[in-house]
Amino acid sequence: DIQMTQSPSSLSASVGDRVTITCRASQSISTFLNWYQHKPGTAPKLLIYVASSLESGVPSRFSGSGSGTDFTLTISSLQAEDFATYYCQQSYKSPYTFGQGTKLAIK
Amino acid sequence: EVQLVESGGGLVQPGGSLRLSCAASGFTFSFHSMNWVRQAPGKGLEWVSSITSSGGTIHYADSVKGRFTISRDNAKNSLFLQMNSLRDDDTALYYCAKAQTYTETTLQHWGRGTLVIVSS
Repeated sequence: DIQMTQSPSSLSASVGDRVTITCRASQSISTFLNWYQHKPGTAPKLLIYVASSLESGVPSRFSGSGSGTDFTLTISSLQAEDFATYYCQQSYKSPYTFGQGTKLAIK
Repeated sequence: EVQLVESGGGLVQPGGSLRLSCAASGFTFSFHSMNWVRQAPGKGLEWVSSITSSGGTIHYADSVKGRFTISRDNAKNSLFLQMNSLRDDDTALYYCAKAQTYTETTLQHWGRGTLVIVSS
């Protein structure tokens, strides 16, 4: 199975900060990598698909990059509504594993 | 508007069974692959199972293979998850998720989840 490892597991940041979350796959997954945002009590939300494509309706401050085994999610200028947990997920091969999550908290 | 509404969760004893349902609306259900994803208390998201639009291709996580069965009824716009031989570690909030067109597991829309508690 493909293991997905996110770093950091948690971080604190302030409104206006630039934040980067990384995701590493245990083998090459080309660009079959998605990013989701999840807030407690709500449905998870797709942000980025195929590594760098922005889902419709998602603010342009979110961006994704990478291919092969190393990927990043960047939030260019944090807004209050961005404090949440972020997950990467590989859609290359079953089982379609998620990373363990990165909890983004207010500093 | 896409809506996915899960039901069927509840309290069940270890070794028992439950059948989850997901009622879909607001899109052409028969065109999209569907998935189940779960989140155990205090843990992250775990992909559980996927089924293609026609039901012809199905995948499972190793942790549920042989115990869970995913199915769909395109005439009734419904997705199901039959869960047998339930264990304590199956306790979780179970989400139904719709895949993007032409993909199997890029999860574009999610329901709010149904809670399954396995406990004696």
